[in-house]
Amino acid sequence: EPEVTQTPSHQVTQMGQEVILRCVPISNHLYFYWYRQILGQKVEFLVSFYNNEISEKSEIFDDQFSVERPDGSNFTLKIRSTKLEDSAMYFCASSGATGGLADTQYFGPGTRLTVL
Amino acid sequence: GEDVEQSLFLSVREGDSSVINCTYTDSSSTYLYWYKQEPGAGLQLLTYIFSNMDMKQDQRLTVLLNKKDKHLSLRIADTQTGDSAIYFCAESFRDDKIIFGKGTRLHILP
Repeated sequence: EPEVTQTPSHQVTQMGQEVILRCVPISNHLYFYWYRQILGQKVEFLVSFYNNEISEKSEIFDDQFSVERPDGSNFTLKIRSTKLEDSAMYFCASSGATGGLADTQYFGPGTRLTVL
Repeated sequence: GEDVEQSLFLSVREGDSSVINCTYTDSSSTYLYWYKQEPGAGLQLLTYIFSNMDMKQDQRLTVLLNKKDKHLSLRIADTQTGDSAIYFCAESFRDDKIIFGKGTRLHILP
C-alpha cells in the first residue's frame, strides 16, 4: 500500500541553525501538508500546498518557515533559524488523488526535531 | 473558531468495549476522522465519516455522529491490548485544513 515517508526520523540541531525536513508524499496525490505536535500537545496545522504554491497557512507558519516541492517527488519544510520552541514532531501529509475537496489526508511517520 | 475537545484518558478492561467521545464547535466540517497514534509512531487513519452521515461501522469500529449536539464517538468492540494508543478526533474543512483534538489515551486493563 502506498505511504507517505519522511526523513530523517530524528533531527538534532543547534538553536539558530537551518533545518530541512523532507517528505515523499503518495505519488498521485496533489495536496501536501505539514503539521507539528509539540510533546504532550495537540497536532497543529502549519501549511497546505497545492499546484506549487501555499494554499493556507496558520499563524505558526511565520517567515522562518518555508515549503518547497523541488522535484516531482519531494516536499520539504525549511526552518531558517531554529528556536528552542520549534522542538516538536513534524508530520507531513498528502491527499487528493482526484483533487477533490477534503479528501482523506494520509500522514507520514513524522520527524522528531530537537533544538538544543 | 474551530475547536475539538476530547477527554484525555480512558481505561478499559480487555474484552470490553471502549467508547471515546469528542465534541467540536464548527459544524461546517466536511469530514470527521479518528486517528490512532502508537508510542513513538505517526498518525494512522483509523476511520472517517462524512459530515452528512450518522453512523459508520468498520469491523470492530463504530463511529457515531450527532450533528445536532456536535458530538462524535468511536466505539471499539472487544478491546485488545494492541488497541492501547492515543486516539485523535479531527475534522476537516473545505480548505483541507484538519483540526485535531488533544487526543485520548486509551489504557487497557488485563
